[in-house]
Amino acid sequence: EIVLTQSPGTLSLSPGERATLSCRANQSVSSYLAWFQQKPGQAPRLLVHGASSRAAGIPDRFSGSGSGTDFTLSISRLEPEDFAVYYCQQYGSSPYTFGQGTKLEIK
Amino acid sequence: QLQLQESGPGLVKPSETLSLTCSVSGGSISSTGYYWGWVRQPPGKGLEWMGSLSYSGSTYYNPPLKSRVTMSLDTSKNQFSLKLTSVTAADTAVYYCTRHRPPAPLTVWGQGSLVTVSS
Repeated sequence: EIVLTQSPGTLSLSPGERATLSCRANQSVSSYLAWFQQKPGQAPRLLVHGASSRAAGIPDRFSGSGSGTDFTLSISRLEPEDFAVYYCQQYGSSPYTFGQGTKLEIK
Repeated sequence: QLQLQESGPGLVKPSETLSLTCSVSGGSISSTGYYWGWVRQPPGKGLEWMGSLSYSGSTYYNPPLKSRVTMSLDTSKNQFSLKLTSVTAADTAVYYCTRHRPPAPLTVWGQGSLVTVSS
């Protein structure tokens, strides 16, 4: 099973700042890495797939990078609606696995 | 636009079987290449992929759950279902149904259904 480790666990920033979230795999997932955003009471929403491709309708302030075992989700200028929990997921091999999540909170 | 909607009992007793159904609208579960699956999330915790299956019969279950999980498709109703046997309090979670088309990620999610295991 591929284990994904996200860091930090919690990130405290202010609107307008840049956020950088990390996801590390214990073995290569190539580019089969997705990022999801989840707000309270809602289902996760796909932000990025293929490590760096934005999903339909996702603002360009969200960007993903990386391949192999190290991945990053960057949010260039935080908007109030961006404060949420973010999960990475690998879908290159079964069982698909998720990271434990990074909570992005308002400072 | 494809939509998924979970339904089923919100309360299940310990040792019994949890059963959920996902109704599909705006598309067919018989579509080639798509996988229909389930993800769960205990209250206040992270996401756990449970498994998925395709119309062609390919099935993938998460190993820790494999002995207790059965997923199936009902093409006549355009629905798919989840059964989880011998539940305990640790199975209390919001259960989401999903769709994806490998090698793509989980692109479509239901709104989620909270199932509580309690006597």
